[in-house]
Amino acid sequence: DIQMAQSPSSLSASVGDRVTITCRASQSISNHLNWYQQKPGKAPKLLIYAAATLQSGVPSRFSVSGSGTEFTLTISSLQPEDFATYYCQESDSVLFGQGTKLEIK
Amino acid sequence: EVQLAESGGGLVQPGGSLRLSCAASGFMFSSYWMHWVRQAPGKGLEWVSRINTDGSSSTYADSVKGRFTISRDNAKNTLYVQMNGLRAEDTAVYYCARTIPPYYFMDVWGKGTTVTVSS
Repeated sequence: DIQMAQSPSSLSASVGDRVTITCRASQSISNHLNWYQQKPGKAPKLLIYAAATLQSGVPSRFSVSGSGTEFTLTISSLQPEDFATYYCQESDSVLFGQGTKLEIK
Repeated sequence: EVQLAESGGGLVQPGGSLRLSCAASGFMFSSYWMHWVRQAPGKGLEWVSRINTDGSSSTYADSVKGRFTISRDNAKNTLYVQMNGLRAEDTAVYYCARTIPPYYFMDVWGKGTTVTVSS
């Protein structure tokens, strides 16, 4: 079975910082990876699908890279509304990463 | 407006049953695969089940296999999950979400309904 490992589990940063979140698969998943943002008490929101495609309306400060087994989500200049929990999701097994909680420093 | 709205959550005793519904509006429901995803209090997202467009194919997480049954009524634009043999560890907010193969990304989510399994 595929395992997904997301890191770090939590991250403290300041407005304007650049942050990177990593998602690793235990075997190659090609580009079958999606990313979500979730704020407290809210449903998740799709950010990126197929490893590289930004969902409509997602700001360009969000970027992604990777394929195969290692994927990264980068936020280039954190804005106050970006503080949330981020999840990666492998498509075929529909497996979510453990989540990365991004907090204000 | 594209919307999903879950209902049917509540308090149930261990071993009990509950059926959740997810009403879809604003899009052609019958053209989309659908998921149920849950989130236990203070925990991450856990996929529960997925169903194809006509309901002929479904898959389940190991944690619910044999206890939960996903279904849909395209005439009523509604997704269901029948949950039997409920356990304390099934306590969670349950979300429905629409999805499209092959990447099965979930681009529209409901607001969730809370299921609490407790005596």
